[in-house]
Amino acid sequence: EPEVTQTPSHQVTQMGQEVILRCVPISNHLYFYWYRQILGQKVEFLVSFYNNEISEKSEIFDDQFSVERPDGSNFTLKIRSTKLEDSAMYFCASSEGQGAYNEQFFGPGTRLTVL
Amino acid sequence: GDSVTQMEGPVTLSEEAFLTINCTYTATGYPSLFWYVQYPGEGLQLLLKATKADDKGSNKGFEATYRKETTSFHLEKGSVQVSDSAVYFCALSDRGFKTIFGAGTRLFVKA
Repeated sequence: EPEVTQTPSHQVTQMGQEVILRCVPISNHLYFYWYRQILGQKVEFLVSFYNNEISEKSEIFDDQFSVERPDGSNFTLKIRSTKLEDSAMYFCASSEGQGAYNEQFFGPGTRLTVL
Repeated sequence: GDSVTQMEGPVTLSEEAFLTINCTYTATGYPSLFWYVQYPGEGLQLLLKATKADDKGSNKGFEATYRKETTSFHLEKGSVQVSDSAVYFCALSDRGFKTIFGAGTRLFVKA
């Protein structure tokens, strides 16, 4: 069964460093998403991406964040200068279409620890 | 805006007990509703879903019915097992650009 994959599973970085989290969505999906879950808290939407453009972003997704689809398979989230409060689990998701009937499939997550 | 409210945990049950986790939602349109499960140290797994009013989603003995009149999607299981210990998230998707999650309910099942 096709699945969303994410690398690395765990990333440790120093405050102020740049990190890139990588995702490989399901191959025929056209919509891509990033979510964040701070330890013990709810899962929060960060950004959605379609046709090489951001479709929607949350207040969390400020200028320190960017997303890119550098090739036909990868979808990346870059945090330019990490802060302690960026420590969280980051989930990538993809869907075939948009709208309420299109299920989003989630990856296993990347745990980011900022020291 | 759209939102999901679910009962606070943790919920602690003995094995074979009946489980209910309440979930209500607020949405302007006609959302799809989901329950996700997160086992310790793992990612999100879709447990079940319902896309329209009166639909019942079911999987692994869990059930939830989409109740438009009460804007609810309560999760139930007749007989829980230790292996069901996890965090359960109720969620909705409306226009489809994002999924909105509830705060999660942690379930502990004792042998």
